[in-house]
Amino acid sequence: EVQLLESGGGLVQPGGSLRLSCAASGFIFSSYAMSWMRQAPGKGLEWVSIISGSGGSTYSADSVKGRFTISRDNSKNTLFLQMNSLRAEDTAIYYCAKAFKSTGPRTTLDYWGQGSLVTVSS
Amino acid sequence: DIQMTQSPPSLSASVGDRVTITCRASQGISNYLAWFQQKPGKAPKSLIYAASSLQSGVPAKFSGSGSGTDFTLTITDLQPEDFATYYCQQYNSYPWTFGQGTKVEIK
Repeated sequence: EVQLLESGGGLVQPGGSLRLSCAASGFIFSSYAMSWMRQAPGKGLEWVSIISGSGGSTYSADSVKGRFTISRDNSKNTLFLQMNSLRAEDTAIYYCAKAFKSTGPRTTLDYWGQGSLVTVSS
Repeated sequence: DIQMTQSPPSLSASVGDRVTITCRASQGISNYLAWFQQKPGKAPKSLIYAASSLQSGVPAKFSGSGSGTDFTLTITDLQPEDFATYYCQQYNSYPWTFGQGTKVEIK
């Protein structure tokens, strides 16, 4: 059974940093791309970033480019999202998700984690 | 960026009804279109990929169609557990983009 468990969310001040983790199990982690999405309170879904199965390719939304970094540790079956220079508009539930293939963009998502809330506020 | 426009933003329906949600892309995306279901306080769930293929375990009451710029999600025999918000998403090119969502409510 595929399981994705996010952690690391919390309250952070504007300009601060936070690192989210997503622990994966139930599949061969290194064989699949992984992605982060977010959802601001009461709003729709927004794609944030994706990383290939090998970790060699990454792509990010313009809204987070230069501030957020996606990475993975295939030896520990864990996905990360390093978030720097956080802004109030980054407040959201962050979801990790497993892709159907090892690389994108033409790969769908098949499993999602339960989400981790990040609140950016002073 | 490819804009995804869903309609209607919300709809009211009764148990047993058949409902259709549409999603339009601002440019052609072939069949690289997915649909997700999200219930309040829960993570999204993948329903359909490649415009019309059901994810494993998703009941056949859900169906998708379309190609190019116009797509539909149809739900037949609506049941209480189907009342949720539905999102389309294009994965033809980065940045991936989602529709704004369609909330299916009980009449």
